[in-house]
Amino acid sequence: EAQVTQNPRYLITVTGKKLTVTCSQNMNHEYMSWYRQDPGLGLRQIYYSMNVEVTDKGDVPEGYKVSRKEKRNFPLILESPSPNQTSLYFCASSWTITDTQYFGPGTRLTVL
Amino acid sequence: GENVEQHPSTLSVQEGDSAVIKCTYSDSASNYFPWYKQELGKGPQLIIDIRSNVGEKKDQRIAVTLNKTAKHFSLHITETQPEDSAVYFCAAIPNDYKLSFGAGTTVTVRA
Repeated sequence: EAQVTQNPRYLITVTGKKLTVTCSQNMNHEYMSWYRQDPGLGLRQIYYSMNVEVTDKGDVPEGYKVSRKEKRNFPLILESPSPNQTSLYFCASSWTITDTQYFGPGTRLTVL
Repeated sequence: GENVEQHPSTLSVQEGDSAVIKCTYSDSASNYFPWYKQELGKGPQLIIDIRSNVGEKKDQRIAVTLNKTAKHFSLHITETQPEDSAVYFCAAIPNDYKLSFGAGTTVTVRA
């Protein structure tokens, strides 16, 4: 089954404790990205990766890092989480930016 | 960067009526406009998209129109059904590789 998986689905943590949210796709897609969803703000792009060689910032990259060492995986790293990073996070993948984005099920993160 | 505005933020319609959601964008270089539907507890799913060389596209009860001169595009859902209740997002993609979403419209279809 073609899918994008994210782990964990739910996470409660404390300020400053490093965490990683994993994202994996099995469709051999080149383009992957991370979004955060907040009430009234819609989906905002954090980082994107056109392929394993190119990764760049989206609209809200502050406080986040990503890594694209292999095509299928695109983890999101929060080195020192803060309460303003409490949000619902989605990973997505597609062949290119102008193709259908396939979203993962989401990760709900709470930073206390 | 691209700025996408979406209206209304909430929309309640009677089952069988039509629903219209409108979006405007700022970057005239934008050339791809997808619409995503997000059901409760799930990730968004593409329902329809339109490219800049097309003015209108239809897929069964769903249609999208694009006015490049005015820089706005709209989603039309006809004969609404309870399963159309969801959050809908428009998006625009300029010539860079970022995807900018609108803030979303929560559609409720009343039985």
